[in-house]
Amino acid sequence: GAVVSQHPSRVICKSGTSVKIECRSLDFQATTMFWYRQFPKQSLMLMATSNEGSKATYEQGVEKDKFLINHASLTLSTLTVTSAHPEDSSFYICSARSRGRAGELFFGEGSRLTVL
Amino acid sequence: QQQVKQSPQSLIVQKGGISIINCAYENTAFDYFPWYQQFPGKGPALLIAIRPDVSEKKEGRFTISFNKSAKQFSLHIMDSQPGDSATYFCAASQGDSGYALNFGKGTSLLVTP
Repeated sequence: GAVVSQHPSRVICKSGTSVKIECRSLDFQATTMFWYRQFPKQSLMLMATSNEGSKATYEQGVEKDKFLINHASLTLSTLTVTSAHPEDSSFYICSARSRGRAGELFFGEGSRLTVL
Repeated sequence: QQQVKQSPQSLIVQKGGISIINCAYENTAFDYFPWYQQFPGKGPALLIAIRPDVSEKKEGRFTISFNKSAKQFSLHIMDSQPGDSATYFCAASQGDSGYALNFGKGTSLLVTP
């Protein structure tokens, strides 16, 4: 099956620093990648959609200057949380859509961010 | 605005029983309806999915029933096992939006021995 890898799985940082999370599709080309945020015992909230080589499309209420998304290649997307604050602490999950497998999304294992 | 409504919020089923989770949607443009299983601290894993051209899909112990006119779909887990204890999310998407998933709020399933 298709594999999506996220790194790091856990990260702790100080308030005011920036954190980068990588999302890689290991065995397929991801035409589109999605970034989700999940608070404890809650559902996944879509943050943004990124297509390879173009700017990400952010959902309403998501600050694009705070959550920088780059989709430089068909196998890699990155989410950078800039000037992180404690309220940014959350579980961030990426998903990728494979070219030729319309609709089917594969999720990474998630990245737990804790901002002190 | 929650585009996909899921119930119940939590469910307790005895081992060997049938677990049933229901979802409803409003957007008739949705054309892909997957179910995901999530264990604590892990990303969601695709369980089974259906498109609106069929009314039922079965894979092993998991069955999706789809009612297009009622805009409802449900997940049935037959012969539920303790290892099935997890959070289940229904979702819906449409091709025109690039298949960004709209998730239900999730159902926490506990299968007791």
